[in-house]
Amino acid sequence: GESVGLHLPTLSVQEGDNSIINCAYSNSASDYFIWYKQESGKGPQFIIDIRSNMDKRQGQRVTVLLNKTVKHLSLQIAATQPGDSAVYFCATLRGAGSYQLTFGKGTKLSVIP
Amino acid sequence: GAVVSQHPSWVICKSGTSVKIECRSLDFQATTMFWYRQFPKQSLMLMATSNEGSKATYEQGVEKDKFLINHASLTLSTLTVTSAHPEDSSFYICSAFSGANSYEQYFGPGTRLTVT
Repeated sequence: GESVGLHLPTLSVQEGDNSIINCAYSNSASDYFIWYKQESGKGPQFIIDIRSNMDKRQGQRVTVLLNKTVKHLSLQIAATQPGDSAVYFCATLRGAGSYQLTFGKGTKLSVIP
Repeated sequence: GAVVSQHPSWVICKSGTSVKIECRSLDFQATTMFWYRQFPKQSLMLMATSNEGSKATYEQGVEKDKFLINHASLTLSTLTVTSAHPEDSSFYICSAFSGANSYEQYFGPGTRLTVT
């Protein structure tokens, strides 16, 4: 069945270091992928997205890499800051023509000052 | 940017009562709104898809008679938890989708429901 999972449930990094959060997906029909940041007690906040016709997309301090061959998605955060501490979820559309998202389990990122 | 609000932000109710949660898109029209439930330290689970002017589509295992969804306008969807029980205590989050050349969903801040 369809699933979106994460390799690591928790990640601790030193302030200033780069963070890499990984995600595996199983639905080969997925053509749109999103990373969300969720702070405690708040709704998810959009970080960056990527379509299946791309393998890399960069934003401000964030980069998303997509490897369709192995169905793997990663989020890289450069120069991690204390404000980056949150739970990060990857999500994917269920399939072509679907607007419904399936969320991964989440990775809690803790930034050590 | 697109803003979605939810009201209330938190609510405590007694077992057996009903609670209504509102989700509003403040600066855009949402053709579709989604309702999610999130238990502590878990991911978001889609409960239902709400399209303006039509009946909501519920995910497998979600009781439509217990979680009533109304999407009466392009800016408002409501979720009513009927006859709430302690196991319904959760964080309920809505998102809104404009459908305008993007798959992006805009999420509300969530509503914390505690049933005593």
